[in-house]
Amino acid sequence: GQNIDQPTEMTATEGAIVQINCTYQTSGFNGLFWYQQHAGEAPTFLSYNVLDGLEEKGRFSSFLSRSKGYSYLLLKELQMKDSASYLCAVRDRNSGGYQKVTFGTGTKLQVIP
Amino acid sequence: EAGVTQFPSHSVIEKGQTVTLRCDPISGHDNLYWYRRVMGKEIKFLLHFVKESKQDESGMPNNRFLAERTGGTYSTLKVQPAELEDSGVYFCASSQGRGRVEQFFGPGTRLTVL
Repeated sequence: GQNIDQPTEMTATEGAIVQINCTYQTSGFNGLFWYQQHAGEAPTFLSYNVLDGLEEKGRFSSFLSRSKGYSYLLLKELQMKDSASYLCAVRDRNSGGYQKVTFGTGTKLQVIP
Repeated sequence: EAGVTQFPSHSVIEKGQTVTLRCDPISGHDNLYWYRRVMGKEIKFLLHFVKESKQDESGMPNNRFLAERTGGTYSTLKVQPAELEDSGVYFCASSQGRGRVEQFFGPGTRLTVL
């Protein structure tokens, strides 16, 4: 099975930087996703890390350490529209040999003026 | 390019009734996934199609749920008979495969069983 942990809620100020952490325990690890989900909408793909290190994409960066079972999503120059839930999801090979994605419960980020 | 679409957006049915949800993936995407989010819980995997074949249905909760993807295009998920605990948001996602792993989600179908 899998165990994915991320904080339930976070609050940050417009223009600031926020880091959302995710830890996971799994066997057959084959990548980690971050998704953004605004209330009532579909999750939107943000990033995918399969190797250790930092991947930067505009204001968003994602980091992975496979040995520590740890990832974070870094959001810079926060905007009000960044208020959303951020979902950490791990891709691994399950007991049947199939690739499967398991989601964390998500971190609800509130950006305040 | 059109995204993943789902129909209906909302469905309210009574316990014991049947409901069929439909998903149209992005054109050309071989992989199609169904997920469910029950209120307050995480998004949970239900099953995965590669073209018309069920690759992995380990997440299907029980035999009241039946998914099909005839012809390898759109997919349907039927719940028969529906129970109260089936209420939630059912998401469909698709991915291209062939090394492209990111999954594109549809807007979901909110199912309420009374």
